[in-house]
Amino acid sequence: EPEVTQTPSHQVTQMGQEVILRCVPISNHLYFYWYRQILGQKVEFLVSFYNNEISEKSEIFDDQFSVERPDGSNFTLKIRSTKLEDSAMYFCASSQIPQGDTQYFGPGTRLTVL
Amino acid sequence: DAKTTQPPSMDCAEGRAANLPCNHSTISGNEYVYWYRQIHSQGPQYIIHGLKNNETNEMASLIITEDRKSSTLILPHATLRDTAVYYCIVRENYGGATNKLIFGTGTLLAVQP
Repeated sequence: EPEVTQTPSHQVTQMGQEVILRCVPISNHLYFYWYRQILGQKVEFLVSFYNNEISEKSEIFDDQFSVERPDGSNFTLKIRSTKLEDSAMYFCASSQIPQGDTQYFGPGTRLTVL
Repeated sequence: DAKTTQPPSMDCAEGRAANLPCNHSTISGNEYVYWYRQIHSQGPQYIIHGLKNNETNEMASLIITEDRKSSTLILPHATLRDTAVYYCIVRENYGGATNKLIFGTGTLLAVQP
């Protein structure tokens, strides 16, 4: 069964460093998402991406964050200058059609900012 | 904020049916009810969704009341591996204004041996 994959599973970085989290969505999916979950808190929407542009973003997704689909398979989330409060699980998701389809999530990347 | 209300926790005996309730009294006509679950800190796993008819798949059944203000997710024979946080999410489908999923705090289902 096709699934969303994410790398790395765990990323440790120093405050102020840039990190790139990678995701490979399900192959015939066209709509991509990032969510995050701070330890003990709710899963929160960050951004959605379709046709090489951001469709929607939350207030969390400020100028420190960017997303990119650098090739036909990867979808990345970059955090330019990490802060302690960026420590969280980051989940990538994808859906097949542009709007309203079921979203399937990857296993997540645990980001720890020291 | 999430448009749903769920009990914070429930217990279920292994092998028995687990019935997880969800209230969504402000649901609108074009909004679907989705259920996901999250085991430990893994990624949310899609379970099932529906609009107004009851739905069943290999994982679970979804019963939606006639007025659509509440629903129940049924795991027919719960196992220890079904211990997880279960999220009930209301969202628009196919042409809605937003595609994001808004997660609440969910129900922690503990399946007891």
